[in-house]
Amino acid sequence: KQEVTQIPAALSVPEGENLVLNCSFTDSAIYNLQWFRQDPGKGLTSLLLIQSSQREQTSGRLNASLDKSSGRSTLYIAASQPGDSATYLCAVRLNTGKLIFGQGTTLQVKP
Amino acid sequence: EAGVAQSPRYKIIEKRQSVAFWCNPISGHATLYWYQQILGQGPKLLIQFQNNGVVDDSQLPKDRFSAERLKGVDSTLKIQPAKLEDSAVYLCASSLGQGSEKLFFGSGTQLSVL
Repeated sequence: KQEVTQIPAALSVPEGENLVLNCSFTDSAIYNLQWFRQDPGKGLTSLLLIQSSQREQTSGRLNASLDKSSGRSTLYIAASQPGDSATYLCAVRLNTGKLIFGQGTTLQVKP
Repeated sequence: EAGVAQSPRYKIIEKRQSVAFWCNPISGHATLYWYQQILGQGPKLLIQFQNNGVVDDSQLPKDRFSAERLKGVDSTLKIQPAKLEDSAVYLCASSLGQGSEKLFFGSGTQLSVL
């Protein structure tokens, strides 16, 4: 059974810091991995999607990496801003199409 | 491009009452998902439709939850009767297919069962 874990559950950093969010999964047989952002009271917004054959994806200040063999993904946020404050969720997609989420990391960026 | 639409935005009911949620996916998206997100947890898949057929409903509590997607477009999720532990945000998402496409989420319906 695929399990997805995100550590830490919460993170607080001063503005301008670079930071890394971690995601681990137990079964390396995944189709792809997706990082989402969730603001309070809102739905999820897709940030980056990494196919199982890829190692990383970049979008602006965000960079996501994938290491299938070790069951890990990281989301790197450069030069963090208060507007980056949100909950970040990773999700792995199985070959059946099912998406399994981690519990999320709640990030607070202090001005 | 219009996003995934959900209604109502909030719902408060008493236990043992019934409730229904509605979702309109992005036009042309064949795959529709209903997720349950309990406070402090990641979303959990309840049911996945491909057009109007069910692909995965293994985690749907079928004694009280039901869902349908008539004509392969809009979908409704019903709870009857509701329990206290059903209090959660119910998220609808859609994607072009079951493959590598991104999922797009609606804003969700926040349900409180008293």
